[in-house]
Amino acid sequence: DAGVTQSPTHLIKTRGQQVTLRCSPISGHKSVSWYQQVLGQGPQFIFQYYEKEERGRGNFPDRFSARQFPNYSSELNVNALLLGDSALYLCASSLEGVPYYEQFFGPGTRLTVL
Amino acid sequence: KQEVTQIPAALSVPEGENLVLNCSFTDSAIYNLQWFRQDPGKGLTSLLLIQSSQREQTSGRLNASLDKSSGRSTLYIAASQPGDSATYLCAVRPEGQNFVFGPGTRLSVLP
Repeated sequence: DAGVTQSPTHLIKTRGQQVTLRCSPISGHKSVSWYQQVLGQGPQFIFQYYEKEERGRGNFPDRFSARQFPNYSSELNVNALLLGDSALYLCASSLEGVPYYEQFFGPGTRLTVL
Repeated sequence: KQEVTQIPAALSVPEGENLVLNCSFTDSAIYNLQWFRQDPGKGLTSLLLIQSSQREQTSGRLNASLDKSSGRSTLYIAASQPGDSATYLCAVRPEGQNFVFGPGTRLSVLP
């Protein structure tokens, strides 16, 4: 069975540009969460979506937005990129939106902002 | 606000040693705690999930314990191997919130 997949693998952008990252959850999983991991630190929660609705939002500016599609895949959008947005962006899926279920992570998208 | 710390930040051991990684969290009101492994530049691999009502979980050479009242969890790795070299992250799921991660412990197992 395929795990969580993310695209693209790597991305290089310049300051001020916009970027869209994509995530496909494990088949049957309905909840998707996004995390940002800066080098040398643990991941920080950005968003959780369940059944196309936002279930949680971390402490990130409004430049960050996301959505979930009917097939449960998800996109993370970041506008007006800053140098500090350079990070590994991780997507995780779980079976349901409740917190008792194990989260499974994808390989991540490495974003570099120049 | 929930905060998670991990000690030590880095650890280097010879192959075959048993070792313990520590995770501490400030608020005991959690749903569960999950341990992950991360290889350099890669995503996270789930190792063990402990629900708040459980005391420990085991998988192969790995054993994780949870003491909610003291805000502590340990990950025990038996008979370490060079392939165990990675960063180990713990994450807690506070009530009403999403995962809060610790900074990780970077483990090197020397052949």
